[in-house]
Order: sequence, then C-alpha cells, then structure tokens
Amino acid sequence: GAVVSQHPSRVICKSGTSVKIECRSLDFQATTMFWYRQFPKKSLMLMATSNEGSKATYEQGVEKDKFLINHASLTLSTLTVTSAHPEDSSFYICSAESEETQYFGPGTRLLVL
Amino acid sequence: GENVEQHPSTLSVQEGDSAVIKCTYSDSASNYFPWYKQELGKRPQLIIDIRSNVGEKKDQRIAVTLNKTAKHFSLHITETQPEDSAVYFCAVNGGATNKLIFGTGTLLAVQP
Repeated sequence: GAVVSQHPSRVICKSGTSVKIECRSLDFQATTMFWYRQFPKKSLMLMATSNEGSKATYEQGVEKDKFLINHASLTLSTLTVTSAHPEDSSFYICSAESEETQYFGPGTRLLVL
Repeated sequence: GENVEQHPSTLSVQEGDSAVIKCTYSDSASNYFPWYKQELGKRPQLIIDIRSNVGEKKDQRIAVTLNKTAKHFSLHITETQPEDSAVYFCAVNGGATNKLIFGTGTLLAVQP
C-alpha cells in the first residue's frame, strides 16, 4: 500500500514554455501532498504544501506564480512550472501523506534548454 | 524555522561493520523523526521513523535513538551489507505542521 506515482518521469522543454507534473496517490486518499526540489547530490528542499480544496502553502523564497500548484482531488496534485528557464532544471519529487507518514513519488527530471 | 544538521556527510564502512548517522534539530516542538534511504536516481524510501514519545525503535538491523532533551537522533545500521550503500536522509517535522525538513544527507558506502 501507500504507492505514489508521478508523471512524467522526465521532460525536456524549451525556455519560456510551461511544464505540468502530476502526482497521484494510487491506493489511498491524501488531503495533503508536498512538493520538493532536489539538486544533484543535495538534499530535498520543500517547495510547498498542497492541500486538497484550498490554496497551497509555499515555503519562503518559492515564487507561487512561478510554481503553480493545484490539488483538485484527494488523489491528484499538479505542479506547473510556468515560463521555465534553464535554472528551473532540477529533480522534482512529490510526496503524499498517509497516516502521518510521507510516501514519495519517483520524481520528475526536468531539463530546460 | 527548523534547522536540521546531519553528520557525517560521507561514511565508508566494511561489510559487516556498523554505521551510525546523527542528526540534530532546533525546534523543540518537533515530534516526528523519519529516516529515508535514497538510491541514485530513485525516490526516497522510508526505512524507520520514531515519534517523541519513545526513545528507541528497532527494526531488524536498523534502529533509531532519540534524545529530545539534547535535540538529536541517530540511525544505527548493524551488520552492514553492500546493498545498504545509498544516501540516507534524516527529517524532522515542522513543529505544529506535518511538513518535513530534511537533513543534508549522508552517503554511505559499504565496502565488500
């Protein structure tokens, strides 16, 4: 149980375009999901907390207009990187909370050219 | 906000030896302390966690100890095997919230 999927697993896009990443809890409902960013050989940096049916809570320094989060159902949260630039290239990982434990998706590797 | 420090950043042990990784945190309101294992290019996997109402928890070769007074907790892996090689992250919940703040990670290499 407690399986989290993410789509796509990797994406390459041109500078200036927007990219949407989906995070799904497959066998449980998650009122809370989290979005992280991870640079190579670095730790996970929390970007925002996604709450079903309400606005996301962003961490300090994370631009909410740049990283749009939507949590429209109990099994799906999406992160849209708007007007992507090369510095947005990173590994984006989501997690979903089940019984006070966070389970992670497999991550999405974004490369912006 | 919460500050989590993790040491060492790299750890190399011989197969069969024990490995210990330590984390310290700053927010005394934190009450949940998980450890995650992340292999290269993969997702973090929860390996053990502890809550503030206990001082120690063990699961086969893995154990976690918590000292709330000193605000530190440690991961202990006994009888290490090459497949234990990975990056290990400690995490701490953000006090009244469920969000996790991660340590900087420890690259564990188990030499056969």
